[in-house]
Amino acid sequence: GAVVSQHPSRVICKSGTSVKIECRSLDFQATTMFWYRQFPKKSLMLMATSNEGSKATYEQGVEKDKFLINHASLTLSTLTVTSAHPEDSSFYICSARRQGSNQPQHFGDGTRLSIL
Amino acid sequence: AQSVTQPDIHITVSEGASLELRCNYSYGATPYLFWYVQSPGQGLQLLLKYFSGDTLVQGIKGFEAEFKRSQSSFNLRKPSVHWSDAAEYFCAVGALLNSNYQLIWGAGTKLIIKP
Repeated sequence: GAVVSQHPSRVICKSGTSVKIECRSLDFQATTMFWYRQFPKKSLMLMATSNEGSKATYEQGVEKDKFLINHASLTLSTLTVTSAHPEDSSFYICSARRQGSNQPQHFGDGTRLSIL
Repeated sequence: AQSVTQPDIHITVSEGASLELRCNYSYGATPYLFWYVQSPGQGLQLLLKYFSGDTLVQGIKGFEAEFKRSQSSFNLRKPSVHWSDAAEYFCAVGALLNSNYQLIWGAGTKLIIKP
């Protein structure tokens, strides 16, 4: 199997709070992890790609100082939304991939972030 | 430029009827192709993938897809849909972008099942 656990599944917090989302590969080593944002009724928007032990590669238009990504081990990556504001409210999904460019991405169940 | 097109935003079929979801891609090299399904408020689950070899690929939940290079297509099919198949379906192609191997996503097709 290839199970990815994402936690928490839902967060509601006040504006200005920083929120950390965890993404774990439970039964395989994920050399690469991806963080996506999904707007209502839209496809996935890739925010960043992180390779274990390296700095994340952010997509154009994504603020790296706002969305901090850490991929310190082969089974864990974290996304921290710093000083979150209502416009950061969204559905965030992580995925993890084994080594190899033809390996599929396996997804977590997503985190619904609501900033009041 | 690499792209994936899912021409149908939504499709409605009756339970028990056959299904085909369309996907066309644009990619310069031999593509790695994927179909994922997303239930409301959930992450994505891999249905099937094509890398090479047999162009008819079998997946989970009774789905299959056929890679047609001449048509740049990778359509998803199921002979008889169940109400539990109602979900959003995404087609994706693997591509090397900015030195990273990523997925390029289609916009998705929402499948609605009529009882």
